[in-house]
Amino acid sequence: RKEVEQDPGPFNVPEGATVAFNCTYSNSASQSFFWYRQDCRKEPKLLMSVYSSGNEDGRFTAQLNRASQYISLLIRDSKLSDSATYLCVADSNYQLIWGAGTKLIIKP
Amino acid sequence: DTGVSQDPRHKITKRGQNVTFRCDPISEHNRLYWYRQTLGQGPEFLTYFQNEAQLEKSRLLSDRFSAERPKGSFSTLEIQRTEQGDSAMYLCASSLHASIGETQYFGPGTRLLVL
Repeated sequence: RKEVEQDPGPFNVPEGATVAFNCTYSNSASQSFFWYRQDCRKEPKLLMSVYSSGNEDGRFTAQLNRASQYISLLIRDSKLSDSATYLCVADSNYQLIWGAGTKLIIKP
Repeated sequence: DTGVSQDPRHKITKRGQNVTFRCDPISEHNRLYWYRQTLGQGPEFLTYFQNEAQLEKSRLLSDRFSAERPKGSFSTLEIQRTEQGDSAMYLCASSLHASIGETQYFGPGTRLLVL
């Protein structure tokens, strides 16, 4: 089992819709979690850190569920520019372990 | 531009040749990471430095790979006797290690193609 798992997608979503995806992690000792966004052939860019109380940044909301060991990302009122791959990251033994990413395609 | 920079951005080489990549981190960052990413996968950790000390190396890092960060600033990643399986994007990231929850910032990557 991979340490960080994500549904690869693609998620095909109409513009304006709300989309959510989860990411599971296997190390119960993980303390730090992040969502990164990666555009095709570009480097990952930090979207948001995930705090235990959950956090929101504009149209984006991240949640952490320690009991079930998953984090989630919710995107409201999706834009065409949200099309990208979303990478989930969790720390494990002082390293960051990356999921393979979930591909999101927003359609007009 | 005060972000992470990498050079070259693209490299095409023949199998068996040696290649060297450079990464310049954000200046005040004390940690520097090297990752490899192939299509459809997330970044795979290769190694990282805290200042000039190389603290961790992945088992993915065969003896053909070597990384240095001689003065605790820029870093180089060398691959000797390249193989076609080395073709990937090599990403460098830096962070300021202060406490739990440090954020890594990535450079644009070096895309390597081994023919």
